[in-house]
Amino acid sequence: GAGVSQSPSNKVTEKGKDVELRCDPISGHTALYWYRQSLGQGLEFLIYFQGNSAPDKSGLPSDRFSAERTGGSVSTLTIQRTQQEDSAVYLCASSLYRDIGETQYFGPGTRLLVL
Amino acid sequence: GNSVTQMEGPVTLSEEAFLTINCTYTATGYPSLFWYVQYPGEGLQLLLKATKADDKGSNKGFEATYRKETTSFHLEKGSVQVSDSAVYFCALSDQSGGFKTIFGAGTRLFVKA
Repeated sequence: GAGVSQSPSNKVTEKGKDVELRCDPISGHTALYWYRQSLGQGLEFLIYFQGNSAPDKSGLPSDRFSAERTGGSVSTLTIQRTQQEDSAVYLCASSLYRDIGETQYFGPGTRLLVL
Repeated sequence: GNSVTQMEGPVTLSEEAFLTINCTYTATGYPSLFWYVQYPGEGLQLLLKATKADDKGSNKGFEATYRKETTSFHLEKGSVQVSDSAVYFCALSDQSGGFKTIFGAGTRLFVKA
């Protein structure tokens, strides 16, 4: 079946502009995660959604970052007033449900470059 | 808080060499442990996992044993191939961490023919 998809695959923007990144999880997966991967760094947790529960936003680096998940499926990560340090690959993952042993399935990522 | 430390790369090996990538963790609860792999140009995918102490995860010739006494989950393979060239991430997830998965910084492996 279809995996996790993300769009756009690449985004170049100017400093100060807003960007929206989209994630389509695997159908039926109730948990959805956003991560940031900076060059040469590991994955930095940003936010996750589980069903209808309040999202865990503890990893968002500033109030310029926000995310929503509509209808328990598609998610959008929004970065307002982008800064050059926001340049990174943004990864989305989904899992069947939230449990410590659950496998996460990752999308291909959106590579963001802020000029 | 929870954390994962893995050996820095890059690691460069010749084909058929033995591979070890060290991973140690700190967790307040009883975590599940994972190795994810990112092949060139591809997304991350699960390589193997172990959910309790002394469990051994294995896949594609790779193995890792969950060692609670040494808080380690080292990745091993007896004979690497060029196709194993990738970035390997150790990770943990536990309930005390709010089910978040914490990833190590990744170790890049190059295998030469």
